[in-house]
Amino acid sequence: GQQVMQIPQYQHVQEGEDFTTYCNSSTTLSNIQWYKQRPGGHPVFLIQLVKSGEVKKQKRLTFQFGEAKKNSSLHITATQTTDVGTYFCAGSNDYKLSFGAGTTVTVRA
Amino acid sequence: GAGVSQTPSNKVTEKGKYVELRCDPISGHTALYWYRQSLGQGPEFLIYFQGTGAADDSGLPNDRFFAVRPEGSVSTLKIQRTERGDSAVYLCASSLGRANEQFFGPGTRLTVL
Repeated sequence: GQQVMQIPQYQHVQEGEDFTTYCNSSTTLSNIQWYKQRPGGHPVFLIQLVKSGEVKKQKRLTFQFGEAKKNSSLHITATQTTDVGTYFCAGSNDYKLSFGAGTTVTVRA
Repeated sequence: GAGVSQTPSNKVTEKGKYVELRCDPISGHTALYWYRQSLGQGPEFLIYFQGTGAADDSGLPNDRFFAVRPEGSVSTLKIQRTERGDSAVYLCASSLGRANEQFFGPGTRLTVL
C-alpha cells in the first residue's frame, strides 16, 4: 500500500531561523495535504496541493509539490514560538489520506 | 455546532470489555472518517463513510472493530473484547465531499488496562 515518509522526525529551531521538512511517497499521489497538530490537540488542515510542481504560500509557510507528485516540502521562514507543533503531510488518492509520522518542531526563544 | 465533536474525550476500560466511541460531524458533511493515532505517529486510516454506507473499511484492524452511521450524520465506532494494544487516540474527521480537506474532532483517548 501507499507509504508516506517524513524527515526529519524532530526539528529544534532557534527562533527567527528557517527550516524545511520533507515528505516522500512510495507512489504517485493525486494530491497532498498538510496538517498541523499542536501538543495535546488534533490535526488542523493547512493546505492542499494538487498540481505537479505547485507552490503555495501562507505568510511565512511555503509548500511545494514535486514534479513527479511523489514528494512535497514545507519551508518555514523566521520561525516563531507559535510554530511549535507536529507537521504532518498526508498523501491522498481520492478520499483516503495516508499520513506520515510527522515532524515535531520545538523552538528555542 | 461549529466543528466535529467526539465523546467521550477519555475512556478507560478493562481488557475484554466493549466500548463505543461517538462522532458528531460538521452539519452537511457527507464524508466521515475514523482514524487511530498512537503516540509519536500520524493518524492511521480506519474507515470512510459516504452518507450512511461504509465506502471503505479496509483500515479496520480486525473483526473486533465495527462502525456505523445509520442516518448519515452521527457515527459510532464499536470495539469488542478490547485489548491493551487498542489503546490510542481515536480521531474522527468529516469533509464536505471526498478528496476535500478534512476537519478533525478532538479525539477520544482510549486506555485499555
